[in-house]
Amino acid sequence: AQKITQTQPGMFVQEKEAVTLDCTYDTSDPSYGLFWYKQPSSGEMIFLIYQGSYDQQNATEGRYSLNFQKARKSANLVISASQLGDSAMYFCAMRSYYNQGGKLIFGQGTELSVKP
Amino acid sequence: EAGVVQSPRYKIIEKKQPVAFWCNPISGHNTLYWYLQNLGQGPELLIRYENEEAVDDSQLPKDRFSAERLKGVDSTLKIQPAELGDSAVYLCASSQDRDHEQFFGPGTRLTVL
Repeated sequence: AQKITQTQPGMFVQEKEAVTLDCTYDTSDPSYGLFWYKQPSSGEMIFLIYQGSYDQQNATEGRYSLNFQKARKSANLVISASQLGDSAMYFCAMRSYYNQGGKLIFGQGTELSVKP
Repeated sequence: EAGVVQSPRYKIIEKKQPVAFWCNPISGHNTLYWYLQNLGQGPELLIRYENEEAVDDSQLPKDRFSAERLKGVDSTLKIQPAELGDSAVYLCASSQDRDHEQFFGPGTRLTVL
């Protein structure tokens, strides 16, 4: 069975500092994708970054980067130069391309609070 | 380009009453998803549509939940009768097809009293 684990219920970071949000996953499928979404208090899930299981390089999108360690089955999100607007819930998710038909499996989420 | 639209944003009902949620996906997106998000948890898939066909509804509690996507565009999710445990956020998402990125709507927050 596929599973996503986020072990940090809450995190604090000082404004302008970098922060790493942890994500580990479990799957036996050979081809899959890993996603990070941000969910502010307004409720909408906002796509941040994507990493394919066969991608050789770690994905980056502006201040977001994904630290992908396939052997350890981890896909940590790194946010550089944190901003007050980064305060939100962050969800790691996985999708199998082998089956599951595009279904996203989400973790429990990490609540990030950025301090001024 | 307009995003995924959901209505209503908030709904408060008494238990045993019926309720319906509406979703309008991004234009041209063939795949539509309904997710359930309980407080403090990540979303869980309820049902996935490819055009007007429900291709994955294994997680939909069919005794009280129903969904439809007429003409392969808008979709409606219904609960009848609602129970206290149905209080949650119901998220709709759409994608070009099942292999592309999913875009989420703002969700409908349901409170059952």
